[in-house]
Amino acid sequence: DIQMTQSPSSLSASVGDRVTITCRASQGISDYLAWYQQKPGKVPKLLIYAASTLQSGVPSRFSGSASGTTYTLTISSLQPEDVATYYCQKYDAAPRTFGQGTKLDIK
Amino acid sequence: EVQLVESGGTLVQPGGSLRLSCSASGFTFSSYIMHWVRQAPGKGLEYVSTISNDGGSTYHGDSVKGRFTISRDNSKNTLYLQMSSLRAEDTAVYYCVLSHSSGVDYWGRGTLVTVSS
Repeated sequence: DIQMTQSPSSLSASVGDRVTITCRASQGISDYLAWYQQKPGKVPKLLIYAASTLQSGVPSRFSGSASGTTYTLTISSLQPEDVATYYCQKYDAAPRTFGQGTKLDIK
Repeated sequence: EVQLVESGGTLVQPGGSLRLSCSASGFTFSSYIMHWVRQAPGKGLEYVSTISNDGGSTYHGDSVKGRFTISRDNSKNTLYLQMSSLRAEDTAVYYCVLSHSSGVDYWGRGTLVTVSS
């Protein structure tokens, strides 16, 4: 099975900072990569799919990119409401493996 | 409006069995692949199982393979997860998920399964 390695596991940044989270697939997944945001006590919310397509209604400060089998979620200017745990997920085929998650908070 | 409502979660003893259900509405259930995802308390998201739109093809993650079975009844718009030989590490909130490569993505609110003596 393809493994998804997400880093860092936790991150602390200041409001207004540019934040980057990385997910690396052990094999090619043809950019079938999604990013989710999960706030405490809430259901995960889809932010980005197909590696770089912003889900409707998601603020434009979120973006996704791909380089080979490495995928990046970027928040261009961190806002207090972005405090959450972020997950990547491959969906090229089953198993739709998730990354380990990145817990983001405000410094 | 798409709705996914899970039920069946409860406290069960190790080695026991349980069947979860997910009642779907607001979309053509029989047209979509469906999934189960779980999240142990304080832990990350873990993929569990997938079933094709007609139920003819299924996939289970390694941690549940041979113990869990995903199924569906398209006439009842319902997804199921039959769980057996339950272990403490199966304790989690179980989510029913509709997720399509076009960006369609809906999650139920989840149902809590607790495996403990």
